[in-house]
Amino acid sequence: GIQVEQSPPDLILQEGANSTLRCNFSDSVNNLQWFHQNPWGQLINLFYIPSGTKQNGRLSATTVATERYSLLYISSSQTTDSGVYFCAEANNNAGNMLTFGGGTRLMVKP
Amino acid sequence: ETGVTQSPTHLIKTRGQQVTLRCSSQSGHNTVSWYQQALGQGPQFIFQYYREEENGRGNFPPRFSGLQFPNYSSELNVNALELDDSALYLCASSSGGATAYEQYFGPGTRLTVT
Repeated sequence: GIQVEQSPPDLILQEGANSTLRCNFSDSVNNLQWFHQNPWGQLINLFYIPSGTKQNGRLSATTVATERYSLLYISSSQTTDSGVYFCAEANNNAGNMLTFGGGTRLMVKP
Repeated sequence: ETGVTQSPTHLIKTRGQQVTLRCSSQSGHNTVSWYQQALGQGPQFIFQYYREEENGRGNFPPRFSGLQFPNYSSELNVNALELDDSALYLCASSSGGATAYEQYFGPGTRLTVT
């Protein structure tokens, strides 16, 4: 089946620093999403990005489908960016089932 | 907020009991997927419902079952609860059935089995 690997598993940043989170996937994708899970468990949609580059404020993401990876960039990090970041991908072979990576646990210190 | 709602927020059950969790999809979405998230792990796909029928299933036993109603809301039922069923249960709504569209998640139901 599809495998999704995220790196790094844990990341500690000083407020104001920039970071790059990586997601590698094992098969061609029709759907790739990045989420931020807050301390209460809510998964917040960051990007829907099967290919190409998107930006939203301090966050941007790039997916290179032919090389099977996606990157999430966080610039000028803030303490509110802390939490777990998941990437998840799906194809149409199993009901648009999202397969999640193990997550990157980010802590931003003031 | 996504517009996807789930109830209840928290639930405590005893091993062997049965539980029903509920999800209302975002307006305009006709597809609901359910995921189980154990502590410290990423969510795992349970199944998806589209047009009131199961439209894909992950590696979960038959005691996990579901329903979708004409208004696209959905229920997840778990029979014969086991301690390992303790987890955060998330539902997600999307449009387009089995086609890969963006999924939006509800706040989850945290189930504890004692």
